[in-house]
Amino acid sequence: GENVEQHPSTLSVQEGDSAVIKCTYSDSASNYFPWYKQELGKRPQLIIDIRSNVGEKKDQRIAVTLNKTAKHFSLHITETQPEDSAVYFCAAKDNAGNMLTFGGGTRLMVKP
Amino acid sequence: GAVVSQHPSWVICKSGTSVKIECRSLDFQATTMFWYRQFPKQSLMLMATSNEGSKATYEQGVEKDKFLINHASLTLSTLTVTSAHPEDSSFYICSAGGPLRPDTQYFGPGTRLTVL
Repeated sequence: GENVEQHPSTLSVQEGDSAVIKCTYSDSASNYFPWYKQELGKRPQLIIDIRSNVGEKKDQRIAVTLNKTAKHFSLHITETQPEDSAVYFCAAKDNAGNMLTFGGGTRLMVKP
Repeated sequence: GAVVSQHPSWVICKSGTSVKIECRSLDFQATTMFWYRQFPKQSLMLMATSNEGSKATYEQGVEKDKFLINHASLTLSTLTVTSAHPEDSSFYICSAGGPLRPDTQYFGPGTRLTVL
């Protein structure tokens, strides 16, 4: 089955700096890669996603890049703000069905 | 659109009792829902895939007789933790595919279960 690795597990940045979180996946047939933001005790919220036919997608301060050959994808947050502090999860969709496999999560702390 | 609700949001029960958690898609129909368990500071672990009108598909290591899943309608799936024990204490979250984007999963708010 699919295996998703996520790094780093924790990331601390100064407000206004950029943050980058990286994930690798094992199943070359995976074709959908969402990113979720989860605040403490809350539900994961979809913040951006990308499909395998696209190399990059941007939504305001958030962007995701995908390298299918290397089987890795990254989340980029620019001009970080304290409210960006949360746990971020990457995921990959199993091509055989609708099941998502999640990475281990990254705890992002943005210091004011 | 694509709103998923869960009830209850938290529950405390005694060891040996059973607890039922409901997951509803409020503004769309979901033929497939997913149940996850999340321990503190850990990732989301898929427990089972709930299919409307048929048996759930359980992930390896998840006891189907302990975690009973029923998906009786296109808007409701239930998870019953039978004979709960302290080690079952966790955050249980359901999700469903969106109506216009079936790849995307929208999550319920979660249920925090504490077994004494």
